[in-house]
Amino acid sequence: ETGVTQSPTHLIKTRGQQVTLRCSSQSGHNTVSWYQQALGQGPQFIFQYYREEENGRGNFPPRFSGLQFPNYSSELNVNALELDDSALYLCASSLVGEGNTEAFFGQGTRLTVV
Amino acid sequence: DQQVKQNSPSLSVQEGRISILNCDYTNSMFDYFLWYKKYPAEGPTFLISISSIKDKNEDGRFTVFLNKSAKHLSLHIVPSQPGDSAVYFCAASWGKAAGNKLTFGGGTRVLVKP
Repeated sequence: ETGVTQSPTHLIKTRGQQVTLRCSSQSGHNTVSWYQQALGQGPQFIFQYYREEENGRGNFPPRFSGLQFPNYSSELNVNALELDDSALYLCASSLVGEGNTEAFFGQGTRLTVV
Repeated sequence: DQQVKQNSPSLSVQEGRISILNCDYTNSMFDYFLWYKKYPAEGPTFLISISSIKDKNEDGRFTVFLNKSAKHLSLHIVPSQPGDSAVYFCAASWGKAAGNKLTFGGGTRVLVKP
């Protein structure tokens, strides 16, 4: 068990709606990244937050946005949901700076857009 | 533009034999490589990593080999065990300090037969 927890585990939304996914980082970690994993593919990097600031973004439109809070927990928000947004969303935390660690992943949130 | 590729979508191996998983990358800026294992309904779990200053890293039954000139890495699992049956992802980043901005391959599903 990695200590990274995500909620909810499953979610069904209607096209056009908005969704918020949540992630609690492993204790002591200061960096969180979000990934989208479509069926049969590897995870794709959405964005990273380091000390509450966005610190890199993948090839995702602005309707994908995020937040990192002072306790290093994080949210992923997706507006105007599209059918292709159906995927497993993974959160990963790590420590960057004072000793670097590999990324530790949560179990993911399975989002289905209908 | 797939910068990290795993060309074998699946691999079947007998228990006790060696499993060899391959991964190719195109971006010469990558200098840190990782392997993750993923079971259904769980997030990816870190297995082993290697920096570009090395050509081999070993951890128990798992060994990763890196051939920088060929932009190729491989994961050897010896001996393979039924519990190793999972999807394995190769990932790359620009330095360990990049935290978790990872570029993943598409995965290889490994089945270890008793």
